[in-house]
Amino acid sequence: AQKITQTQPGMFVQEKEAVTLDCTYDTSDQSYGLFWYKQPSSGEMIFLIYQGSYDEQNATEGRYSLNFQKARKSANLVISASQLGDSAMYFCATAGSARQLTFGSGTQLTVLP
Amino acid sequence: EAGVAQSPRYKIIEKRQSVAFWCNPISGHATLYWYQQILGQGPKLLIQFQNNGVVDDSQLPKDRFSAERLKGVDSTLKIQPAKLEDSAVYLCASSLDLPLHGHEQYFGPGTRLTVT
Repeated sequence: AQKITQTQPGMFVQEKEAVTLDCTYDTSDQSYGLFWYKQPSSGEMIFLIYQGSYDEQNATEGRYSLNFQKARKSANLVISASQLGDSAMYFCATAGSARQLTFGSGTQLTVLP
Repeated sequence: EAGVAQSPRYKIIEKRQSVAFWCNPISGHATLYWYQQILGQGPKLLIQFQNNGVVDDSQLPKDRFSAERLKGVDSTLKIQPAKLEDSAVYLCASSLDLPLHGHEQYFGPGTRLTVT
């Protein structure tokens, strides 16, 4: 079974600064994937970034990067140069041999002007 | 490219009534998912289809929930009879293939169900 732990229920960051959202996972699968999604107050889930367990380099997508530390089973999301529009709920998720996505409980990010 | 469509957007029913939700995935997406998201929590997978076959329905309360995917395209999720604890947002998502291969899921706007 897959398990995702997001220990930060809420985070605040000043506009234009970088922020790291924590995610640890638990899996017995050798091959798995890690995803981050953003959910604004409007409710839709938006895909941000993906990291495969065998990818040697950390994934990056624009201002988003995934700090993947396999030995520590962590997959933290780093948002650089925060913008007001980044205020949202952020979910970490994993997929393994069970072929389904398991989500964490989320972190509410608030960007302050 | 059109996104995942869901209807209705909002539904209020009394407990013990029945309700149905509809989802139209992105064209060409083989995999379709139904999630339940209770306020303050992450989405929980209810059922996953690959084309018109069920891949996983282990967390679907089968005594009251049912789902089908017609001809491998549209899908309907039904609750009968509804309970108060079914109040949640029901999200439909689709992807080209299974998530293990890095295929991101595209989500619809969700249906907010309130059971009174």
